[in-house]
This record gives sequence, C-alpha cells and structure tokens, in this order.
Amino acid sequence: AAGVIQSPRHLIKEKRETATLKCYPIPRHDTVYWYQQGPGQDPQFLISFYEKMQSDKGSIPDRFSAQQFSDYHSELNMSSLELGDSALYFCASSNLSPGRGQNEQFFGPGTRLTVL
Amino acid sequence: GEDVEQSLFLSVREGDSSVINCTYTDSSSTYLYWYKQEPGAGLQLLTYIFSNMDMKQDQRLTVLLNKKDKHLSLRIADTQTGDSAIYFCAELSMGGDDKIIFGKGTRLHILP
Repeated sequence: AAGVIQSPRHLIKEKRETATLKCYPIPRHDTVYWYQQGPGQDPQFLISFYEKMQSDKGSIPDRFSAQQFSDYHSELNMSSLELGDSALYFCASSNLSPGRGQNEQFFGPGTRLTVL
Repeated sequence: GEDVEQSLFLSVREGDSSVINCTYTDSSSTYLYWYKQEPGAGLQLLTYIFSNMDMKQDQRLTVLLNKKDKHLSLRIADTQTGDSAIYFCAELSMGGDDKIIFGKGTRLHILP
C-alpha cells in the first residue's frame, strides 16, 4: 500500500540558509500535518492543512512557512536556519477533515535536517 | 492544557512481558495511540484505542484504558530483541484541529 513520502530524507544546511521539505500524502488523503522532533525529544505539532487551506498552527517559528498544493502535497519552507532547527521533520496525512474528533494519521519516514 | 506523561526508561528480560504506562490530561480525547520509533527511524503506529473501549488486543500487544484515571498502558507479551525501541504514548487533541499530542517516549531496553 502507498505510504506518505517525504523528500529529501536527509538534508544538511548551514546557518542562515533556507531549506524546503516536501511531503506527498497517501493518495486521496487531503489533510496534512507537520511535526518537528528535536534530538531526544517527542514530536511537536507545527502546522496542518486541509483542502489546501491552513487548518491549525502550533509552535512553528515565523521563519517557517508552509503550504498545500492542488495535488495535496505540502512543502515546509524554512529560512534563516538556526542550529536549533536541527531535527527530524515528520509529515502525516489523513483522509478525514480536522475537527471531527476521529482521526488516524499516517506518518512519513521523516526528513532529518542538520544545520551546521 | 493537554499533556501526556510516561516514564522514560524500562528494562525487561527477553521473553518477559513489558508494560509501558502513560497518563494523559484531556479526558475528552477520543483516540489514544501507541507509536514505536526505532533508532534513526520514523514513527510507526503500533495500535490505537477508541475512548469507549477498555481494552484492545492485537497479537502480542494489549492496550488497557482506564478512562476514569486517564491511564493508558501497553503490554507487549514475550518481549523480543526487535521490540527494543522508544514507545510514544499519544492522544488526539480535541481542540478542533486533530493534532496529536505525544508523550516524551519510553525507551524499552531488552536484557538477554
């Protein structure tokens, strides 16, 4: 069965550079969630999209932005990278709209971003 | 606010049962999850339980939910070396956004 695809799987950047992470949800899934997992930390919610509109925002820095495109894939854009942005970034997708209290999110393998 | 707590470490002998415990704060959560994360790998959904259930069993995994005490546990029977991983307890946020709130994770170490 198709799963959530994230690219790239690994990314190395230097401070103050920009990075773009991509997420391709499971076919027919129209809701996408982004999570950030710092070293030794639990995943933290960043932002979510449903039907190409931002659904909710968590602890996402202003330096980050994201969008969902017409084919439902999503991109997380990160600018002015800092050492503390080094983390594993997960994307999850769902075929249920947010806010219905019933949800199964399927996680991608993650993108490991290292900022030097 | 929403919070999920679990102990950070658990050591179990191979062949024994592992029991990982978790408490959560949002009594209105409809879904509670257990995720497994092996070193350097992604998050694997092991199992989930709907809030109107007390127990769910799936092969070697048994999930128990005490809604009154807001306590969730994961029992792994006949623990194997391949079960060595970090196990995250998580709840579905009921704030209208359906984000998942994770605990800090329990690192399960298997003793030979």
